[in-house]
Amino acid sequence: EAQVTQNPRYLITVTGKKLTVTCSQNMNHEYMSWYRQDPGLGLRQIYYSMNVEVTDKGDVPEGYKVSRKEKRNFPLILESPSPNQTSLYFCASSLLDGNEQFFGPGTRLTVL
Amino acid sequence: ILNVEQSPQSLHVQEGDSTNFTCSFPSSNFYALHWYRWETAKSPEALFVMTLNGDEKKKGRISATLNTKEGYSYLYIKGSQPEDSATYLCAFHYNTNAGKSTFGDGTTLTVKP
Repeated sequence: EAQVTQNPRYLITVTGKKLTVTCSQNMNHEYMSWYRQDPGLGLRQIYYSMNVEVTDKGDVPEGYKVSRKEKRNFPLILESPSPNQTSLYFCASSLLDGNEQFFGPGTRLTVL
Repeated sequence: ILNVEQSPQSLHVQEGDSTNFTCSFPSSNFYALHWYRWETAKSPEALFVMTLNGDEKKKGRISATLNTKEGYSYLYIKGSQPEDSATYLCAFHYNTNAGKSTFGDGTTLTVKP
């Protein structure tokens, strides 16, 4: 089944404890992106990747890192999480940039 | 951050009503405009990808139009059903960098039986 998977789905952590949210797609998509969603707001783009080893900042990249060593994986890294990073995170992929995006199930992160 | 605005923020209609929402975006640097449907506790799902001025797309009772010169897109739902209840998001992609996308805050539609 064609899909985007994220892990973990739920995470409660403490300030400063490094964490990684994994994202994987099995559709051979070139483009992948991370978004966060906060109450009352739409999706805000954190980082995106046009292809392997090519990543770029979205609108809200501060406090996050990403890597794209393989086409299928695009992990989101929070080196030192803070409470303002408590949010719902979505990973998405598309065949190419500008095509319709397929979203993962979301990761709900709480930073205490 | 360029401004992508959706209106209204929320909408309550009766089953059978037809309705429409608006997405406004910058009229310059246009590459594509996407519409997504997002049901509670699920992930957003793509409805339409619109790329050309004057585009009209249709999927069942839902249709969308695009005006890139004036910077707006309309989403129409004909004969709303309770299962249409969801948040509808639009996303603007830039021609200077199509990988970058800006979403509107969404229109939440509630259809009462």
